[in-house]
Amino acid sequence: EAQVTQNPRYLITVTGKKLTVTCSQNMNHEYMSWYRQDPGLGLRQIYYSMNVEVTDKGDVPEGYKVSRKEKRNFPLILESPSPNQTSLYFCASSPQGGGQPQHFGDGTRLSIL
Amino acid sequence: AQSVTQLGSHVSVSEGALVLLRCNYSSSVPPYLFWYVQYPNQGLQLLLKYTSAATLVKGINGFEAEFKKSETSFHLTKPSAHMSDAAEYFCAVSVSGGYNKLIFGAGTRLAVHP
Repeated sequence: EAQVTQNPRYLITVTGKKLTVTCSQNMNHEYMSWYRQDPGLGLRQIYYSMNVEVTDKGDVPEGYKVSRKEKRNFPLILESPSPNQTSLYFCASSPQGGGQPQHFGDGTRLSIL
Repeated sequence: AQSVTQLGSHVSVSEGALVLLRCNYSSSVPPYLFWYVQYPNQGLQLLLKYTSAATLVKGINGFEAEFKKSETSFHLTKPSAHMSDAAEYFCAVSVSGGYNKLIFGAGTRLAVHP
């Protein structure tokens, strides 16, 4: 089954404790992206990657890091989480090229206390 | 720069009634337009997309949307609402050029009453 898998689905942690949210896709997609969803703001892009070893900032990259060492994986790293990063996070993937719909994971709800 | 405006953060309809969710976009180049649906505790699922092939686009679950360039709109409709349509709906725009970034609207939460 074609899917984007995120882990963990839920996490409560404390300010400053490094965490990683993993994302893996099994569709051999070149393009992967991270979004955060906040009430009244829709989804905003954090980082994206157009292929292995190629990553770039989205609209709200501050406080986040990513890496793309393998085509299937695109982890999101919060080196020193803060309460304003409490949000619902989605990983997405798609083939390269304009107009390609993105496939989304089920989301990770992060609470930073 | 591209942007998306969804009119109405909450829409409530009766079961069997017409569903109309409004979306207006801004883009300096021909856009690709999408509607996604989000059910509780799930990710976003593609309902339909416009990629310039036809202005009236049919999607899953009986939804359709019409691209109107003159009005810069891409409203989502369904003739008869079902209880299972209750969810949050997002309109999104992206542009051509191999860059797949999606710009999302703020979302519209649809409630369906018996």
